[in-house]
Amino acid sequence: GDSVTQMEGPVTLSEEAFLTINCTYTATGYPSLFWYVQYPGEGLQLLLKATKADDKGSNKGFEATYRKETTSFHLEKGSVQVSDSAVYFCALSAGGGADGLTFGKGTHLIIQP
Amino acid sequence: DAGVIQSPRHEVTEMGQEVTLRCKPISGHDYLFWYRQTMMRGLELLIYFNNNVPIDDSGMPEDRFSAKMPNASFSTLKIQPSEPRDSAVYFCASSFSVASAYFGPGTRLLVL
Repeated sequence: GDSVTQMEGPVTLSEEAFLTINCTYTATGYPSLFWYVQYPGEGLQLLLKATKADDKGSNKGFEATYRKETTSFHLEKGSVQVSDSAVYFCALSAGGGADGLTFGKGTHLIIQP
Repeated sequence: DAGVIQSPRHEVTEMGQEVTLRCKPISGHDYLFWYRQTMMRGLELLIYFNNNVPIDDSGMPEDRFSAKMPNASFSTLKIQPSEPRDSAVYFCASSFSVASAYFGPGTRLLVL
């Protein structure tokens, strides 16, 4: 079945550092790919998405590129802030989201001032 | 719109009791999803509805769990009887067609 693998944390960085959170997937066909963020005590919020190969999703300085050849969707940000501290989830959906999401385990990101 | 609304936000109950979680999706959304989040298993899709009809309940752990969507603006997830291993955060999410899902704040359930 479909699955998502992402690096496990916690990942601890200093403010203004460069961020990469790796995500790879296994799926039949061509799924849509998503990054969600969860702040403490809150639900998940969509951060960005890409629906086909070579698409780049971007939002709030974060970006990720859908790489079909490597089945990856790594999340990057050039300069992180303390407010970026949260848990980040990579997810996929074969039906563009309409059939539910398969999530990775989540990566806890801690940004130190 | 107020977003996806879930109630209660926190629930503490004793083993064997019935638990009912409630969800009001965003108006106009035609898909509704129930997810469970635990440290051990992460986020799991339990069931989802399209136009109030259950489409896939293969993620429902066992017969103690049931979900209904009597109309477009309300859904329930019921656990009867509850067990300590059901302790988790339960999220409801909704979406319009194949657009991205919006999640509610979750219900944190503790079964003693």
